[in-house]
Amino acid sequence: AQSVTQLGSHVSVSEGALVLLRCNYSSSVPPYLFWYVQYPNQGLQLLLKYTSAATLVKGINGFEAEFKKSETSFHLTKPSAHMSDAAEYFCAVSYTGTASKLTFGTGTRLQVTL
Amino acid sequence: KAGVTQTPRYLIKTRGQQVTLSCSPISGHRSVSWYQQTPGQGLQFLFEYFSETQRNKGNFPGRFSGRQFSNSRSEMNVSTLELGDSALYLCASGGLEYNEQFFGPGTRLTVL
Repeated sequence: AQSVTQLGSHVSVSEGALVLLRCNYSSSVPPYLFWYVQYPNQGLQLLLKYTSAATLVKGINGFEAEFKKSETSFHLTKPSAHMSDAAEYFCAVSYTGTASKLTFGTGTRLQVTL
Repeated sequence: KAGVTQTPRYLIKTRGQQVTLSCSPISGHRSVSWYQQTPGQGLQFLFEYFSETQRNKGNFPGRFSGRQFSNSRSEMNVSTLELGDSALYLCASGGLEYNEQFFGPGTRLTVL
């Protein structure tokens, strides 16, 4: 079954440090890829998406991700973490040619410390 | 433009009962998808409706059903509730280009 793997269920960084959240997908067919953020007791907010255009994707709040087909990866980065970035982050994939029927990773909880 | 709205936000039911959750998509969106989020299973796709027709379906038992109305609003029904159905149920709507989904705040269902 096609899947998406997020390495590290918990990541802790200092404020101002680089944020790197890892995501790998399983298929050789390039899918649509997404990163979502979830704050406590809220729904999911789209950070950025890859839909077969530019491989380096810039999103909201200073986040970006690079699609690397050779590594089947779509890691999320942010140069400088802020306290407000503390949340849970989900990588998601769709193989339908649209954004439908998303398969989500297990999530990475980002902690930002002073 | 208003976002995706879900009602109710919180719900408590007992085993064996049934429940109906409602979702109103962003104005102009014709696709509505439902997802279940639990600590154990994570986020799982339930089904998707487009123009009142079910277009995709996940691997959930037949106790989970849905429908979409002509105004794109959608309802999800769960019959014969089990303790394991306790979850956050998220609704998402898809735009015209359908290359992204916008999620609502979810309905927190607790089954006692």
